[in-house]
Amino acid sequence: AQKITQTQPGMFVQEKEAVTLDCTYDTSDQSYGLFWYKQPSSGEMIFLIYQGSYDEQNATEGRYSLNFQKARKSANLVISASQLGDSAMYFCAMREGSARQLTFGSGTQLTVLP
Amino acid sequence: GAVVSQHPSWVICKSGTSVKIECRSLDFQATTMFWYRQFPKQSLMLMATSNEGSKATYEQGVEKDKFLINHASLTLSTLTVTSAHPEDSSFYICSASSGPKADTQYFGPGTRLTVL
Repeated sequence: AQKITQTQPGMFVQEKEAVTLDCTYDTSDQSYGLFWYKQPSSGEMIFLIYQGSYDEQNATEGRYSLNFQKARKSANLVISASQLGDSAMYFCAMREGSARQLTFGSGTQLTVLP
Repeated sequence: GAVVSQHPSWVICKSGTSVKIECRSLDFQATTMFWYRQFPKQSLMLMATSNEGSKATYEQGVEKDKFLINHASLTLSTLTVTSAHPEDSSFYICSASSGPKADTQYFGPGTRLTVL
């Protein structure tokens, strides 16, 4: 089974609108961390936001927020007030237990339309 | 803070030659560095985990004799692709984290390798 599933290969959003990128995960560990990274066409992976499995509140970082629904094993990324510069590939990733490795989803290509 | 650099950003080499890629943490000490490979339009695949002063741990299916990893200091890890072939052409990205329980990996800008 896939550990990280991103079901949206591509998404379009109008500039200034909000968009939600889906991510579901599968783990039997009680302790885990969930990450979102942005990869523009230049290739660099930019860390956006982190949610720990024991964090009771949803993580927020500026225009990014993580909608963490533990029972559903989902960790969707919400980008508010989209900007043209948000156009990029977005990856959801998970670290399980004491492991330091990350497992990445297949990514979602977001295009912000003017 | 948390800046990771990679050098070179791109390299073209002939088949059969070896290529070394450097990954440096510029403003923090990285006890652990990770090397990933990414094919076009695909996700990142972990190749190996590199701990300072010890041997790297390779993922299943990754040839350790072909992809030599050295993590000689807390700020530098190198990946050497030995006897490169066209199928080794890919985007190689490193990441670094600090401390045994560091939660966030910070990524370098990547190195695009093309083997002719």
